[in-house]
Amino acid sequence: GGIITQTPKFLIGQEGQKLTLKCQQNFNHDTMYWYRQDSGKGLRLIYYSITENDLQKGDLSEGYDASREKKSSFSLTVTSAQKNEMAVFLCASSPRGEQYFGPGTRLTVL
Amino acid sequence: GDSVTQTEGQVTVSESKSLIINCTYSATSIGYPNLFWYVRYPGEGLQLLLKVITAGQKGSSRGFEATYNKEATSFHLQKASVQESDSAVYYCALSGSNYNVLYFGSGTKLTVEP
Repeated sequence: GGIITQTPKFLIGQEGQKLTLKCQQNFNHDTMYWYRQDSGKGLRLIYYSITENDLQKGDLSEGYDASREKKSSFSLTVTSAQKNEMAVFLCASSPRGEQYFGPGTRLTVL
Repeated sequence: GDSVTQTEGQVTVSESKSLIINCTYSATSIGYPNLFWYVRYPGEGLQLLLKVITAGQKGSSRGFEATYNKEATSFHLQKASVQESDSAVYYCALSGSNYNVLYFGSGTKLTVEP
């Protein structure tokens, strides 16, 4: 088995601030993902990466950067936090097809 | 594009009663998408419940079943007799021509009353 760790669990930022979320997986999966989930809605794909140093944009990539410097880690940067923004960011990894999810980072922007 | 629709945001069922959670899909990128049900139990992360990759086939797990109906473009989740421990949020999802990308429905929160 394996585990996906996301840090921090809770993130509070100020409007306009650059904020970074981190994800680590020990499944040795090739592909990793970042999703955003707003309250009462489904998951929307921000970025994914099929291997180290690869980045693929999802439908929601605007306003975000991502980095996959090694196979086990995938970070997401909110380039300029929007006031009153609240969402949960989920990281996932996959060998092929089925995705395994982390516990999430809850973002609040004041 | 590809998309998934779950019409019920919340469903409440009494313990031991039957359950159907509706899911319909639209797959323009591919004729036969892969279909999934994910579940998030209270306090836990999102996890795969079942998947079906062949039209006409049924997937099952933990007493839940879902049949891939290509004609109706549906993948409804069913259980004959629910338990309190089934209370969770259920998400239908599909992957199209790019198997790396999943499209999720908005989720259905199931509450099972004793």
